[in-house]
Order: sequence, then structure tokens, then C-alpha cells
Amino acid sequence: EVLLLESGGGLVQPGGSLRLSCAASGFTFSTYAMSWVRQAPGKGLQWVSSITSSSGSTYYADSVKGRFTISRDNSKNTLYLQMSRLRAEDTAVYYCAKGGYASFWDIWGQGALVTVSS
Amino acid sequence: EIVLTQSPATLSLSPGERATLSCRASQSVSSYLAWYQQKPGQAPRLLIFDTSNRATAIPARFSGSGSGTDFTLTISSLEPEDFAVYYCQQRSNWPRTFGQGTKVEIK
Repeated sequence: EVLLLESGGGLVQPGGSLRLSCAASGFTFSTYAMSWVRQAPGKGLQWVSSITSSSGSTYYADSVKGRFTISRDNSKNTLYLQMSRLRAEDTAVYYCAKGGYASFWDIWGQGALVTVSS
Repeated sequence: EIVLTQSPATLSLSPGERATLSCRASQSVSSYLAWYQQKPGQAPRLLIFDTSNRATAIPARFSGSGSGTDFTLTISSLEPEDFAVYYCQQRSNWPRTFGQGTKVEIK
């Protein structure tokens, strides 16, 4: 079974940092681009960041550029999102998703809630 | 940034009726448009990719059409499990963008 499992969400103060992880199984992780997509409470979907299969290229939404870093460890089948200088408007459910470079997102994780509040 | 505008915002229909959802792009996305379904508390699910291709295990009642800037998702006969929010999304340009969503609700 193809699975993506996010972890690392939680409550963090404004200006703080958090790292999300996404463990992949059931497919050859190292051959696919991966992405993060978020959804603020009661709002629509927003693409956050994507990384190519070999980590050769990374892409970011303007709203997170310079604050978030996407990375992956193909030996561990794991995708990461390092988030720093967090703001209240970063509060959202963060989804890990397979694809995003030359393909659409066909597999999604269950999501990790990040709440930025004092 | 390519802006995707979905209409209508809400569609009130009965089971068995036909649903037609629209997505308009601010500039051409060629055929690089997808549709996702999202139910409350769940992750999105890919329905249609590259305008008209059904994703794995998606029923034939879902179909997509269009090109360039105007796209349509059609659900030929609504089943109870189809009442949800639908998003279009483009992968023609960075940043990847979504429409604001169309909620299909039970009338």
C-alpha cells in the first residue's frame, strides 16, 4: 500500500521553528518529486514547496521563501519541511504529497496541524 | 502567478443530477490542469489530471474537458459520496496554484 505519514506538527510561538517529516512507503520514493501543500482552517489549498527526486531543484511559494526549507533523505524515504520565523498566518494543516514537478499530486498524507500562536 | 477562478462557489443539487463545475485560468495552462475532491477532515484526492485523464480508481461518472484557459469537471450523475469540495489546480507555471474551490452540496 502506498502511504505518506506526516509527523512533527504542533503548537509553536510566533518567530519559532518547527520541522515536519513525511515518511513514505509502498513506492520508490527516490524516483519521484515531492511537495508540501497547506490548508489554513476553513480555507482552500495552497502549494508551499516542491523538491525534485534527486534534490537537484527546490521551489517555494513567495509567502514562505527564505523561511522554509524543503529537503529529503532518499535513503530513509523521508521528506522534510524545516519552518522558521513562523507567523500566525502559517497556521494550517500541512500535507505531504507525491509529485509536483512534472506531475500532479496523486498520493497525499493525512496532514499535520501546525498552530502558530502565543 | 496564474490565478484560477472556479464557479460557482456552491452548487446545490440532488443525487442523480448532473454537476458541471468550471475553472478559468488567468492565462493559458495548456492541458496542465487537474481536479481534486476533498471531504471534511480528509486529504484531497486526485480525480482528473492533464484536463481529461481519470486518476486511478476514479469512477467513469467523473470527466474533465477544456484547454488553454477554460476547463470543466462534469459529474454525470451525483452519488451520495460525491458531495464535497472540488478544487482545480495548474502545473503549467510556478507557483503551482489552486482555484478557491466549489462546494457541491445536497439540495
